[in-house]
Amino acid sequence: DAKTTQPPSMDCAEGRAANLPCNHSTISGNEYVYWYRQIHSQGPQYIIHGLKNNETNEMASLIITEDRKSSTLILPHATLRDTAVYYCIVRGVRYNNNDMRFGAGTRLTVKP
Amino acid sequence: GAVVSQHPSRVICKSGTSVKIECRSLDFQATTMFWYRQFPKQSLMLMATSNEGSKATYEQGVEKDKFLINHASLTLSTLTVTSAHPEDSSFYICSASRDRTYNSPLHFGNGTRLTVT
Repeated sequence: DAKTTQPPSMDCAEGRAANLPCNHSTISGNEYVYWYRQIHSQGPQYIIHGLKNNETNEMASLIITEDRKSSTLILPHATLRDTAVYYCIVRGVRYNNNDMRFGAGTRLTVKP
Repeated sequence: GAVVSQHPSRVICKSGTSVKIECRSLDFQATTMFWYRQFPKQSLMLMATSNEGSKATYEQGVEKDKFLINHASLTLSTLTVTSAHPEDSSFYICSASRDRTYNSPLHFGNGTRLTVT
């Protein structure tokens, strides 16, 4: 199983960069790394995804190591509204389905 | 961007009754939608995959006769919790993607909080 490992919780100061790590050491070559976040009592929100290159969008940057066994989600200037549970998910042809399976995630708390 | 809408957002029902939850893709067609359940302080658990025009695929341990899924069109999937009991109280979330590639994100609805009294 291409499971992921994330720290259960992290704190970050408002205005600073939040760096959320994820280990996916059993990832295979055609599996993507996805990041979502869930604010309390809402559905998960898509943030970013990548295969092997680093990616950036208006929300965040995704840094994937060269061996693809780990990645880091970077929120460049965290705000209080970024407080949420962040999920790192590996998705690909290992499962004969197009679904996503969530782990426990990292609870990020942005503090003033 | 892609939007997935769920209705209702909250529902309270009495034990023994059935509840229907709707999931709609508003600006794209989705041949496949997914239903998740989330208990307090836990992660999302995949319940079933809803396929347009065919039977849903259920995850191990999910009773297909209790959680009826109908995906009658490319923009609508429904989950019916039949003969609901208090232990069915949970946060139910659906998702869909524009296509079937792994490079296409799933977009999630805002969930339905079901309380069975």
